[in-house]
Amino acid sequence: QKEVEQDPGPLSVPEGAIVSLNCTYSNSAFQYFMWYRQYSRKGPELLMYTYSSGNKEDGRFTAQVDKSSKYISLFIRDSQPSDSATYLCAMSPTGTASKLTFGTGTRLQVTL
Amino acid sequence: GAVVSQHPSRVICKSGTSVKIECRSLDFQATTMFWYRQFPKQSLMLMATSNEGSKATYEQGVEKDKFLINHASLTLSTLTVTSAHPEDSSFYICSAPRAADTQYFGPGTRLTVL
Repeated sequence: QKEVEQDPGPLSVPEGAIVSLNCTYSNSAFQYFMWYRQYSRKGPELLMYTYSSGNKEDGRFTAQVDKSSKYISLFIRDSQPSDSATYLCAMSPTGTASKLTFGTGTRLQVTL
Repeated sequence: GAVVSQHPSRVICKSGTSVKIECRSLDFQATTMFWYRQFPKQSLMLMATSNEGSKATYEQGVEKDKFLINHASLTLSTLTVTSAHPEDSSFYICSAPRAADTQYFGPGTRLTVL
């Protein structure tokens, strides 16, 4: 069993839709939860991170962490074609600047 | 702009040759850098932690004699894939922490071994 599970998709939604991306994990030591966006053949870029359980909002993006269920989510409101990319969840027990454990990534396509 | 660069961005080599990939932090010093490998449709897998002034720390299952890491300075880490074989073909990405809560990834190097 992988430490972090993520549905690879692809996920196709129309412009303006609300997108829900999810990851589950098995390592209860994870305390830091991150979402990265990766465009084709590029390195990942950090979208947002959350420490422990709770919600965090940044513009159109909302991250949720439920440690009791070992489940994290990223919601994208009013999705745009420019949001089309692969979204990777990543986790760490010690911090966002430490070595990370990634999910496989979900490929998102937002269509006009 | 990019704060971590990698060179080359793409390399094709013959089986049995060695390939060196560079990772540079552009406007900050990084005593630690991380090297990841990403196979198609798979997650980034941490290969090793590169430490300036000391030996790299390798993850379980990663051959340290095959993947040589040298953290030559506070802004440069190199990964050398020795005697590369087709199964080593992958996307190699480095990252560098800039502060306690910030980590930047390079653009990646696509290695194809024929």
